[in-house]
Amino acid sequence: EPEVTQTPSHQVTQMGQEVILRCVPISNHLYFYWYRQILGQKVEFLVSFYNNEISEKSEIFDDQFSVERPDGSNFTLKIRSTKLEDSAMYFCASSEFLSLSNQPQHFGDGTRLSIL
Amino acid sequence: AQKITQTQPGMFVQEKEAVTLDCTYDTSDQSYGLFWYKQPSSGEMIFLIYQGSYDEQNATEGRYSLNFQKARKSANLVISASQLGDSAMYFCAMREGEDSNYQLIWGAGTKLIIKP
Repeated sequence: EPEVTQTPSHQVTQMGQEVILRCVPISNHLYFYWYRQILGQKVEFLVSFYNNEISEKSEIFDDQFSVERPDGSNFTLKIRSTKLEDSAMYFCASSEFLSLSNQPQHFGDGTRLSIL
Repeated sequence: AQKITQTQPGMFVQEKEAVTLDCTYDTSDQSYGLFWYKQPSSGEMIFLIYQGSYDEQNATEGRYSLNFQKARKSANLVISASQLGDSAMYFCAMREGEDSNYQLIWGAGTKLIIKP
């Protein structure tokens, strides 16, 4: 069964450094998402992406964050200058259609980001 | 106000028993979708089941069923004949409104432990 793939599974970075989290969505999916989950807390929406542009973003997704689809398969989340509070599990998700509201978002296994 | 409320932070259930995980939601939209995801201790997020606001029948998917009570705004997940592998965090999530709304809104989760 096709799946969303995220790399790396765990990233440890010094505060202030840039980090890029990578995702390969399911190949025929058109809508892509990033969520984060701080340890012990709720999953929080960051951003959605369709047709090479951001469709929706949350208040968390400030100027330090950016997303890109550099080629036909990868979808990346960049954090420019990491802060301690960016430590979390970051999930990439993709979905096939949006117009059919019952299309689930399929999630990758996540990247655990630890900021030191 | 919380959009998704999961009132059970944790549950212990005997193996082979059925279990009901509660979820209530708050929305003024007529069109919305409700999703349940499972998060094992390994961290990945696994889609389980979906219920649309216009669906007349309760959703079922194998051992999972959704007890959808629209007037009460509840969408409880029922797991029949629980197994040890069902031990995990379970999240209820909602997507509101029409096609322009992309994000999933999440509950705090219920930690389910199945006892042998």
